[in-house]
Amino acid sequence: ILNVEQSPQSLHVQEGDSTNFTCSFPSSNFYALHWYRWETAKSPEALFVMTLNGDEKKKGRISATLNTKEGYSYLYIKGSQPEDSATYLCAFMGNFNKFYFGSGTKLNVKP
Amino acid sequence: NAGVTQTPKFRVLKTGQSMTLLCAQDMNHEYMYWYRQDPGMGLRLIHYSVGEGTTAKGEVPDGYNVSRLKKQNFLLGLESAAPSQTSVYFCASRATSGSYREQYFGPGTRLTVT
Repeated sequence: ILNVEQSPQSLHVQEGDSTNFTCSFPSSNFYALHWYRWETAKSPEALFVMTLNGDEKKKGRISATLNTKEGYSYLYIKGSQPEDSATYLCAFMGNFNKFYFGSGTKLNVKP
Repeated sequence: NAGVTQTPKFRVLKTGQSMTLLCAQDMNHEYMYWYRQDPGMGLRLIHYSVGEGTTAKGEVPDGYNVSRLKKQNFLLGLESAAPSQTSVYFCASRATSGSYREQYFGPGTRLTVT
């Protein structure tokens, strides 16, 4: 069974704080690393898809980096806002287009 | 353009009963996936399909069967439901070609087996 780990499991920050999470995955048979944002009572929505070692992606205040050689990705949120409160999932895409999800980091941003 | 839809939204079954969950997508995507989501365990892949008429096992396939007779539909069947299959089930679809394509998720089906 392929292991994808996310840390921390949960995070409580104040509005305006910057924060980051980690996703660890196997460094072999790597095809892509996806980040999804999952708000309560909604479906997961894609934030980033990264495929190359050294990839950096940015969308507004959220950015992500990828290191496929050591098997990790970081997600950064700059100046957290209450609307950033959600669970952030990473998913490793391996052979045969199969996806393996981490258990997520639940972020709560207090106003 | 509805994206990915799932039917039903909620269902309660008794142990041993059978049911079929329907996933439909209108984006002409080749790939479709069924996941289950349990507390503290993230999303786990049950079965998936890389095209009409094809299916393959995921991480936790036991107790489930699937069919993809039409490109836009992916059905998940439980032949004899067990309490361990109480979960929230998500369907997702993805365009073909390129590992850079993201998944689009349906709204989920909450299933309780008593």
